[in-house]
Amino acid sequence: KQEVTQIPAALSVPEGENLVLNCSFTDSAIYNLQWFRQDPGKGLTSLLLIQSSQREQTSGRLNASLDKSSGRSTLYIAASQPGDSATYLCAVRNGNNRLAFGKGNQVVVIP
Amino acid sequence: GAVVSQHPSWVICKSGTSVKIECRSLDFQATTMFWYRQFPKQSLMLMATSNEGSKATYEQGVEKDKFLINHASLTLSTLTVTSAHPEDSSFYICSARATSKGYEQYFGPGTRLTVT
Repeated sequence: KQEVTQIPAALSVPEGENLVLNCSFTDSAIYNLQWFRQDPGKGLTSLLLIQSSQREQTSGRLNASLDKSSGRSTLYIAASQPGDSATYLCAVRNGNNRLAFGKGNQVVVIP
Repeated sequence: GAVVSQHPSWVICKSGTSVKIECRSLDFQATTMFWYRQFPKQSLMLMATSNEGSKATYEQGVEKDKFLINHASLTLSTLTVTSAHPEDSSFYICSARATSKGYEQYFGPGTRLTVT
């Protein structure tokens, strides 16, 4: 069974600092990995999707890397802003075509 | 785009009653829809997967007679929580996928259910 772990569970950073969020998964036989953002009481917004053959994806200030063999992904958010405050969820898709989610990294960016 | 809506966004019901939550794909045809529940500070747990016109496939431990799922059309799936109890209070999120859009899933905004 795929287990997805996100560390740290929560973090606070001053505005302008770079954010580094880590995700690890136990079964490296994945199809893809996706990072989502979730605001309190809201649904999920997809940020980046990395196929298993890719090593990274970038969108604006966001960059996600994938090391499938070691079962790790990192989401970098450059020059954080208060609007980046949210919970970031990592999810991997396995051969059973299901998404397995981590518990999230809860981020607070302090103005 | 790929937009998924849910209705209602929040609902309060009394113990023993049933409540229906709708999930719609607004600008694409969803061949597969998924229902998740999420407890505070926890990850999303898949409850069931449904393909249009077929019976839903429930995850282990999810009571299919309690959580009725209907996927009657390519744009609509419903989740009915029957004989609700306070422990059913949770955040329910649906997700839709279309083969025309690969395997990417698009998520609805969620429904907060509170059972009193």
